[in-house]
Amino acid sequence: SQKIEQNSEALNIQEGKTATLTCNYTNYSPAYLQWYRQDPGRGPVFLLLIRENEKEKRKERLKVTFDTTLKQSLFHITASQPADSATYLCALEFGSSYKLIFGSGTRLLVRP
Amino acid sequence: GAVVSQHPSWVICKSGTSVKIECRSLDFQATTMFWYRQFPKQSLMLMATSNEGSKATYEQGVEKDKFLINHASLTLSTLTVTSAHPEDSSFYICSASSGEVTDTQYFGPGTRLTVL
Repeated sequence: SQKIEQNSEALNIQEGKTATLTCNYTNYSPAYLQWYRQDPGRGPVFLLLIRENEKEKRKERLKVTFDTTLKQSLFHITASQPADSATYLCALEFGSSYKLIFGSGTRLLVRP
Repeated sequence: GAVVSQHPSWVICKSGTSVKIECRSLDFQATTMFWYRQFPKQSLMLMATSNEGSKATYEQGVEKDKFLINHASLTLSTLTVTSAHPEDSSFYICSASSGEVTDTQYFGPGTRLTVL
């Protein structure tokens, strides 16, 4: 069965540094992968989508890479700020009905 | 744009009662809506997919008679948890996709259900 792994341990970094989060998957070849931000008690907020034929995508301080050979996506936040503290989820499209399978998320804490 | 609302934001009910949760797309027409459940410190688990005017498609292990989904219009889907039990207590989140960019889902703020 499909498996999506995100580091369950929280990532604790100093403000201004670059945060790098990892999403690995097995037994699947998704057409695209998405990253979301989720704050406690709130629904996920869409951040970036990257397709299988794209290596990298950027949006402001965010950068996502997608390596379909390694079956891995990396999510980078440059010049991190305390306001970036949240849980970040990766999600893979499943099948042709646009269903998403989510990883368990990685909690990011940016210290002032 | 692309705002999705849910109502109520939280609800507490007695065991055995039914609870209805509404999901609305406020500024776009949602041809497809999804319902998820999230337990504490766990990921979102897809429960069902609903398309406007047709029956919902439930994921394996989700009881369709217990979790009734209605997608009567392009802006509204409802999830009814029937005969709720304490184990149904969870965070229920809906998402919606428009017909133009169906690979992007816009999520509602979630509904916290507590069954006593």
